Amino acid sequence: GAVVSQHPSRVICKSGTSVKIECRSLDFQATTMFWYRQFPKQSLMLMATSNEGSKATYEQGVEKDKFLINHASLTLSTLTVTSAHPEDSSFYICSAIGSDLAGAVPDTQYFGPGTRLTVL
Amino acid sequence: AQSVTQPDIHITVSEGASLELRCNYSYGATPYLFWYVQSPGQGLQLLLKYFSGDTLVQGIKGFEAEFKRSQSSFNLRKPSVHWSDAAEYFCAVGHVGNEKLTFGTGTRLTIIP
Repeated sequence: GAVVSQHPSRVICKSGTSVKIECRSLDFQATTMFWYRQFPKQSLMLMATSNEGSKATYEQGVEKDKFLINHASLTLSTLTVTSAHPEDSSFYICSAIGSDLAGAVPDTQYFGPGTRLTVL
Repeated sequence: AQSVTQPDIHITVSEGASLELRCNYSYGATPYLFWYVQSPGQGLQLLLKYFSGDTLVQGIKGFEAEFKRSQSSFNLRKPSVHWSDAAEYFCAVGHVGNEKLTFGTGTRLTIIP
């Protein structure tokens, strides 16, 4: 139980275009979802926290107009990178905290497999 | 502010040997502590967590970790490593009422035959 999926796993886009990444909790309801960014050989940097039906809370230094987060349901959050540029190329990982359904332990983040974004 | 330090950037261990990965945290209240493992190009998998109670916690894949409040440490151990344990290991700290995690910089584990 407590599986989180991301789609796509890999995306290549041209500079100036927008890219949407989906994060889904497959077998539990995610009360909160998180979006991280990871640079090569580095740790995870939290970008934002989202709760279903409310606006995301962005970490300091993260441009909310560039990284649009929507958490429309208890099982789906999306991250849209708008007007992407080469410096946005990175590995984006989502995680979810669930209620006590299907083996999801409260207060534990379950991570998706990540999305590799390359902006040409 | 909370912080996590993983002093070892890279560790190389022979297959079958024991392993200890260090993690020190700085936090004012009782922390929640986690160890995650990341294989190349993959997301993070939870190995184990400590919330309260017994300070020696058992996880998956034969890993265990011990919470030592006096040393502000939560070191990860395994008595005998397997080649499949080669990966990046992250220690993280959180706390009740705030679901955000702070991650350490990670330790890359290489296993040699």
